[in-house]
Amino acid sequence: EIVLTQSPATLSVSPGERATLSCRASQSLSNNLAWYQQRPGQAPRLLIYGVSNRATGIPARFSGSESGTDYTLTIDSLQSEDFAVYYCQQSNSWPPLTFGGGTKVEIK
Amino acid sequence: EEQLVESGGGLVQPGGSLRLSCVASGFSFSTYEINWVRQAPGKGLEWVSYISSSGTMAFYADSVKGRFTISRDNAKDSAYLEVNSLRADDTAVYYCARDRLLYFGFDLWGQGTLVTVSS
Repeated sequence: EIVLTQSPATLSVSPGERATLSCRASQSLSNNLAWYQQRPGQAPRLLIYGVSNRATGIPARFSGSESGTDYTLTIDSLQSEDFAVYYCQQSNSWPPLTFGGGTKVEIK
Repeated sequence: EEQLVESGGGLVQPGGSLRLSCVASGFSFSTYEINWVRQAPGKGLEWVSYISSSGTMAFYADSVKGRFTISRDNAKDSAYLEVNSLRADDTAVYYCARDRLLYFGFDLWGQGTLVTVSS
C-alpha cells in the first residue's frame, strides 16, 4: 500500500500570502496524484490531477509540482475561501486508492 | 447541472445493514467509474470501493472487504453500496464520487450520507 504523508498538519497563513503544502509518497506515483480541497461541512472538490493539471474552473493561483516522491500544492495570494483542508490522493498503485492525512490551512 | 445525490444513511445497530444509493443526473453516467469514499467524524478521507463504468470490475478497501458490496444500474443512473455487519468504526459520512479515469481524479462528488453505527 502506498502511504502519503502530508505536512504540515496545520498551516497558518495570512490572506494574500502564499501557502505551500507537501505530500510525500512512499514510492513513485508516475504522475498519478491529485489534490482536493474540503471546506467545512462540504464535500471535497478536485483541484489538481496528474500532479500539475488544474481541474475545470480552478483558479490559476492553485498549482501543483513534484520532485521525486515529494509533491507540492502551492496556493498563491490566499483568498478567504481558500482556508480549508487539503488532501492529496494517489491512483498509481491500487487497490487501495489512498489519501494523505490532510493539511488544514487556517487564517494567521 | 451535473450532480450526484446519495441517500440511505441512518442510525443502525452494530451488526446491522444498510443500502446506500448514489443517483446521478446531468451527465452520461454509464461512461464514468464510481467510487465510495468515507469520512469518520473529524477525520480524513478513506477510499472504500470502486466500480468500473460497465460494472464488471469492483475493488474494496481491506477494512470493508467481505462486508460491503458495490454495484450499479446504468439504466437507472445509479450506484449502490450494500453495507453489512456494520461496526462502530464504520460510522462516517459516505460520499460517492465519479471519475472518467482514475488519473483525472474524482471530479464530481455527492453531498454525502451519514451512517451512524451505535446501540
